[in-house]
Amino acid sequence: DIQMTQSPSTLSASVGDRVTITCRASQSITIWLAWYQQKPGKAPKLLIYDASSLESGVPSRFSGSGSGTEFTLTISSLQPDDFATYYCQQYNSYWTFGQGTKVEIK
Amino acid sequence: EVQLVESGGGLVQPGGSLRLSCADSGFTFSRYSMNWVRQAPGKGLEWVSYISSGSSTIYYADSVKGRFTISRDNAKNSLYLQMNSLRAEDTALYYCARKHGTGYYYDYWGQGTLVTVSS
Repeated sequence: DIQMTQSPSTLSASVGDRVTITCRASQSITIWLAWYQQKPGKAPKLLIYDASSLESGVPSRFSGSGSGTEFTLTISSLQPDDFATYYCQQYNSYWTFGQGTKVEIK
Repeated sequence: EVQLVESGGGLVQPGGSLRLSCADSGFTFSRYSMNWVRQAPGKGLEWVSYISSGSSTIYYADSVKGRFTISRDNAKNSLYLQMNSLRAEDTALYYCARKHGTGYYYDYWGQGTLVTVSS
């Protein structure tokens, strides 16, 4: 089974900050990685797929990069609506999620 | 507008059974593969099961294999999850999620239905 490890688990940041979340896979998943945003009481929302492709309608301040085993999600300038929990997901072999990164207000 | 609406959750005793449903609208259901994903209270996301558009391919997570059965009725635009031999650790919010047409990520999710396994 492929394990996904996100870091950090919690991140405190201010509006306007540049934020980076890392996701590492236990083996190569090439580019088969997605990022989701989840707010309390809501379903996850797709942000990025195939490691770096931005889902339609998602603000351009979100970007993804990486390949193989190491990936990053970057928010270029954090907005009030971005305080949420973010999950990576591999779909190279079945599906596995990272444990999540909660972005909190500093 | 794509809509996925789960139902069927509730309180069940350990060892009991429950059948979840996901009613889908706003897209051609029969063309898309579907998944169940769960989230225990305060925890992360866990993939549970996958079914292809024509039901020919089905996968389960090891944690539910042999106890859960996924199925679909394309004529009724509905996805199902039959859950047997339920355990306390199956307590979670269960989401249905649509697999993207060409990619293996999930592009639409329902709002979830809560399953609580407790005596």
